[in-house]
Amino acid sequence: QQQVKQSPQSLIVQKGGISIINCAYENTAFDYFPWYQQFPGKGPALLIAIRPDVSEKKEGRFTISFNKSAKQFSLHIMDSQPGDSATYFCAASVPRSEKLVFGKGTKLTVNP
Amino acid sequence: GAVVSQHPSWVICKSGTSVKIECRSLDFQATTMFWYRQFPKQSLMLMATSNEGSKATYEQGVEKDKFLINHASLTLSTLTVTSAHPEDSSFYICSAQTGTGKYRVYEQYFGPGTRLTVT
Repeated sequence: QQQVKQSPQSLIVQKGGISIINCAYENTAFDYFPWYQQFPGKGPALLIAIRPDVSEKKEGRFTISFNKSAKQFSLHIMDSQPGDSATYFCAASVPRSEKLVFGKGTKLTVNP
Repeated sequence: GAVVSQHPSWVICKSGTSVKIECRSLDFQATTMFWYRQFPKQSLMLMATSNEGSKATYEQGVEKDKFLINHASLTLSTLTVTSAHPEDSSFYICSAQTGTGKYRVYEQYFGPGTRLTVT
């Protein structure tokens, strides 16, 4: 119930393409879904987040799509760039909990 | 805003010695900080939750006597790995929770991590 399942494990995209990373959850109590970006040897950085009362959130080239009925959410990176090559983690949290449940991560490689 | 620092960024120590890692929130006060451990190509594993002025709460399976956490102020938490062994070698990452998040009130911002190698 506390798991967040992330796919794919790795993803290779050409420059200018769209990168799509998916996450699924079971716990309907989750009410906060952030995405973190991590470069090798660095800590994760908060990229974008969504609450379940909206179906989509867009910030620049990054968009979260949220499907409450399917209990799924995804990160879309438009016009992917080599500098986007990193590991991406989805996460979720329940109300009044400080803890985050993380997916296993997706290593994105954007080829020039 | 919401910058978290860690010191040192990497450390090598001999087996049996102790090592202290500092986590600081630079531009905000954090009543709650978290310590994670990350193995190569794996996700983050929460070790403990650190609350200012009180004892840390450890996750199941984490030895509290081995991983000592002190949250002495609203901007500083420390993790001390006692009697370190080679299996403690890992990437340790802290996060600090802000009460003025962009997407919700309480958000975690992560430090850059500390690479610990025990020889």
